[in-house]
Amino acid sequence: VLTQSPSASASLGASVKLTCTLTRGHSTYSIAWYQQQPEKSPRYLMALGYDGGQFKGEGIPDRFSGSSSGAERYLTISSLQSEDEAVYYCQTWDTGNRIFGGGTKLTVL
Amino acid sequence: QVQLQESGPGLVKPSETLSLKCSVSGYSISSGYFWGWFRQPPGKGLEWLGNIDGSGSSYYSSSLKSRISISVDTSKNQFSLRLSSVTATDTAIYYCARDGLRATGGPPDFWGRGTLVTVSS
Repeated sequence: VLTQSPSASASLGASVKLTCTLTRGHSTYSIAWYQQQPEKSPRYLMALGYDGGQFKGEGIPDRFSGSSSGAERYLTISSLQSEDEAVYYCQTWDTGNRIFGGGTKLTVL
Repeated sequence: QVQLQESGPGLVKPSETLSLKCSVSGYSISSGYFWGWFRQPPGKGLEWLGNIDGSGSSYYSSSLKSRISISVDTSKNQFSLRLSSVTATDTAIYYCARDGLRATGGPPDFWGRGTLVTVSS
């Protein structure tokens, strides 16, 4: 249902755009983005709708933003910091089901 | 601030039942949300196991339906997970989380710190 690239990298201070692709039957679904730093629990970043509307979690910096195009949902992180090195998961939900993407491991160079 | 804390045995023998509790503070478990269980095998991705609301209505992952049970204790503001007939493949970090509004859906937003459960004799 959800496809993510296994890895991505970008330099300190730069921006990176991560992609989550919904399968054809789920292309209008909303998703959520999570950050999981090593040895920590997932941190809710935002919910992101088909129309690009987003609802951020508490305390999430403006450096994190989301956008949508068709079946693709994006997470853009600007002004990359070393602590942004983490695995980023997308997730979607339906009544009685929640599905996670495989995660993208982001390396900050 | 919503806070969740998992508790339970860190070691379970194969074929036995895994039991965990999640204690919720800062929010009433009866107030319109689902409360869910998730797990993450070492070095792998996240998996949703199931959820329950304050009235006891529950949903389970189809892959675990025959082995899983989630219950709620509103008097203690807690909910619990039981997973029967465990094998080594059930070894994982288990997380509880607030799992979306009952009325309109939504993603899990507040998560516990997780507890590692190892299945081994």
